[in-house]
Amino acid sequence: DAKTTQPPSMDCAEGRAANLPCNHSTISGNEYVYWYRQIHSQGPQYIIHGLKNNETNEMASLIITEDRKSSTLILPHATLRDTAVYYCIVGGGNSGYALNFGKGTSLLVTP
Amino acid sequence: EAGVTQFPSHSVIEKGQTVTLRCDPISGHDNLYWYRRVMGKEIKFLLHFVKESKQDESGMPNNRFLAERTGGTYSTLKVQPAELEDSGVYFCASSPLIVGAEAFFGQGTRLTVV
Repeated sequence: DAKTTQPPSMDCAEGRAANLPCNHSTISGNEYVYWYRQIHSQGPQYIIHGLKNNETNEMASLIITEDRKSSTLILPHATLRDTAVYYCIVGGGNSGYALNFGKGTSLLVTP
Repeated sequence: EAGVTQFPSHSVIEKGQTVTLRCDPISGHDNLYWYRRVMGKEIKFLLHFVKESKQDESGMPNNRFLAERTGGTYSTLKVQPAELEDSGVYFCASSPLIVGAEAFFGQGTRLTVV
């Protein structure tokens, strides 16, 4: 059972920042927050993950609230190729390595 | 560096036949996972290997599915005999044996049972 809550869909204009929220109020102290995306039927693509601190890489930024009960994935300049289903997953740590994909957020980037 | 590789990319078999899917993880990754997505459903975890040992096979649907990872390198997932409801996309992923390390996925094998 997924331990995260995400909006089912979001729209974003090309070139704008896409901010995808995720609630994970039951996250354990040693669990990480992972973000993956799936474009069409391709294999899930790793985006970013974090434990407590905010993280940034070449693809995105991850903002985790201080109480760790929610987070936001930020795609700073969305392109049409960022249209995909985005999954927020908590896990790792003592809960093992299996990723529990929920329904995710379907992000549509429009011209 | 080569990513996770899966063979074949597509397979169409008749009900009752046997199919074997193969996964080559990223070199040096001790963790290997199998997932699948059946039509209209979410991606579901099947099982997890640490090297050659099955760490967690709680997601395996029934005993028609057999996964192996002899030698702790590549893995195979055999479905015998295949049923119609086994149709879907089977993904393999691997990660290093580091707490919290991200997993990298292959492109999947699309299995169609007719």
